[in-house]
Amino acid sequence: AAGVIQSPRHLIKEKRETATLKCYPIPRHDTVYWYQQGPGQDPQFLISFYEKMQSDKGSIPDRFSAQQFSDYHSELNMSSLELGDSALYFCASSSGLAGGHEQYFGPGTRLTVT
Amino acid sequence: LAKTTQPISMDSYEGQEVNITCSHNNIATNDYITWYQQFPSQGPRFIIQGYKTKVTNEVASLFIPADRKSSTLSLPRVSLSDTAVYYCLVALGDRGSTLGRLYFGRGTQLTVWP
Repeated sequence: AAGVIQSPRHLIKEKRETATLKCYPIPRHDTVYWYQQGPGQDPQFLISFYEKMQSDKGSIPDRFSAQQFSDYHSELNMSSLELGDSALYFCASSSGLAGGHEQYFGPGTRLTVT
Repeated sequence: LAKTTQPISMDSYEGQEVNITCSHNNIATNDYITWYQQFPSQGPRFIIQGYKTKVTNEVASLFIPADRKSSTLSLPRVSLSDTAVYYCLVALGDRGSTLGRLYFGRGTQLTVWP
């Protein structure tokens, strides 16, 4: 079965650079979530989209922005990168928004800021 | 927001049944109780979800008492490959803009020994 695809899988950037992470949800899933997991930490919700509109916003820095496109894929844009942005970034998708819907997570993008 | 509390770590041996209990005293009427499993450097994986009483699937059972202030994840006959972090989550029900986001608290590191 098709899973959530994230690219790139690994990314190395220097401080103050920009990065773009991409997420391709499971076909026919209309909701995308982004989570950040720092080293030794638990995943933290960043932002979500439902039917190409932002549906919820969590602890996402103002330096980050995201959108969901007409084909439902999503991109997380990160600017002015800081050392503390080094983390695993997971994208998850679901069919629908309500709490009863299982979220399927991608393999993650490991971002290293040097 | 219903905060969840679960043990930081648990140890077990292969073939044993493991029960991980989570407390969520402030759970709201429409909230679901959801459990995820995470291996190092991988995205969380949905295990089971329930609203009340008992739910069973091919990998686990979830027991929820009538007051819904706690829940117990039961893993029958664990194997070495079940070594992972297990997260108990309250998946928000229909609460407007916060639909669907998952709050990951401190999970339980389960270690299965041979």
